[in-house]
Amino acid sequence: SQQGEEDPQALSIQEGENATMNCSYKTSINNLQWYRQNSGRGLVHLILIRSNEREKHSGRLRVTLDTSKKSSSLLITASRAADTASYFCATDAKIIQGAQKLVFGQGTRLTINP
Amino acid sequence: NAGVTQTPKFQVLKTGQSMTLQCAQDMNHEYMSWYRQDPGMGLRLIHYSVGAGITDQGEVPNGYNVSRSTTEDFPLRLLSAAPSQTSVYFCASSYSAFSLVATEAFFGQGTRLTVV
Repeated sequence: SQQGEEDPQALSIQEGENATMNCSYKTSINNLQWYRQNSGRGLVHLILIRSNEREKHSGRLRVTLDTSKKSSSLLITASRAADTASYFCATDAKIIQGAQKLVFGQGTRLTINP
Repeated sequence: NAGVTQTPKFQVLKTGQSMTLQCAQDMNHEYMSWYRQDPGMGLRLIHYSVGAGITDQGEVPNGYNVSRSTTEDFPLRLLSAAPSQTSVYFCASSYSAFSLVATEAFFGQGTRLTVV
């Protein structure tokens, strides 16, 4: 079963506007990550936020984490055409012997219109 | 550094054929994994490995085998291809699965597999 679920499934905005995507998860986590996938390509890591952090910035990206609500949001400010992609959140899930694995949500398809 | 390299990029198989998807990383990462990506399903974990000689099943392991004889390589074998295995396959690696201080995962470019 998937740990993270993104909302909305698809988002279309005008260039220059801000884009907000949300992720909800079910069980406690140590970390949450966001990835971007351009069409036909592999996933690329964007940002990681730890469970004891509430907000993190990286360039035009802002990620928030609310562990009490088991949710995270990714904000992309001043969007550009090049931001058109699918965005995935990934949470850690415990496996054997203390190891962790990444579990991905279904993703949000973001389209930036010129 | 090349990062994570997957081959082939595209493959068409007939039902019942077998094949191996190759994955190699040159970052000395301990943790490697295979995902399949289907429309509306996101990425689902097939198999993973926390180090050379250690592998385990993910969410959807049926019909697939893996081995990890070296740190660098993590091939995925389809034993007898079925149309339900038509998908895009991604290999990923990260520094360690054991560290609570998580690190990012690096992905290959994917293999688009069609089973007819």
